[in-house]
Amino acid sequence: DTGVSQDPRHKITKRGQNVTFRCDPISEHNRLYWYRQTLGQGPEFLTYFQNEAQLEKSRLLSDRFSAERPKGSFSTLEIQRTEQGDSAMYLCASSLSRSFVEKLFFGSGTQLSVL
Amino acid sequence: GNSVTQMEGPVTLSEEAFLTINCTYTATGYPSLFWYVQYPGEGLQLLLKATKADDKGSNKVFEATYRKETTSFHLEKGSVQVSDSAVYFCALSDPNTGNQFYFGTGTSLTVIP
Repeated sequence: DTGVSQDPRHKITKRGQNVTFRCDPISEHNRLYWYRQTLGQGPEFLTYFQNEAQLEKSRLLSDRFSAERPKGSFSTLEIQRTEQGDSAMYLCASSLSRSFVEKLFFGSGTQLSVL
Repeated sequence: GNSVTQMEGPVTLSEEAFLTINCTYTATGYPSLFWYVQYPGEGLQLLLKATKADDKGSNKVFEATYRKETTSFHLEKGSVQVSDSAVYFCALSDPNTGNQFYFGTGTSLTVIP
């Protein structure tokens, strides 16, 4: 169990540029979540995959955001035409859906700064 | 809807003091409740959980009791250490789907020697 890994740890970009983040979940976990966390706030749900299927999307996930999990393993989150308001920590979490009550395992996050 | 409200921080305590971090929730059904901890530079880690009313979640040093009558899940520890300095998040899972977690804003704890 190597844990959930996210890449990169930090990303600085100029407004209007596109960025892509990667998340590698714990290998046997079938569920993968993306959250966004801003300073002084708790994580806010963005989207969730079960295997390769994207099952839920938050209203926070505008058309500029897209997430994929093509083979049910790693996932990518892309933000197009970034805005300063996109600056936040983007967290990935994974879990194994053995039971109704899940335990989420979080990565260390990707800190995005949009200048 | 579902939401979690935590006591505002930051909280500063001396080593060996008693810790309480308040958490109350609003939910449409019967949620599962969680406490997560985030150490500097790290991801969130599950501290404890409780799945039904009157359950006591515990990890041997921290504990929280699921109180349905007061819709609360307060975190307690009898004697804090410097190493407990972190941000603590209360969370609930959506009772209808179990797939979406709702987090509080976090409470920052600093323990001084």
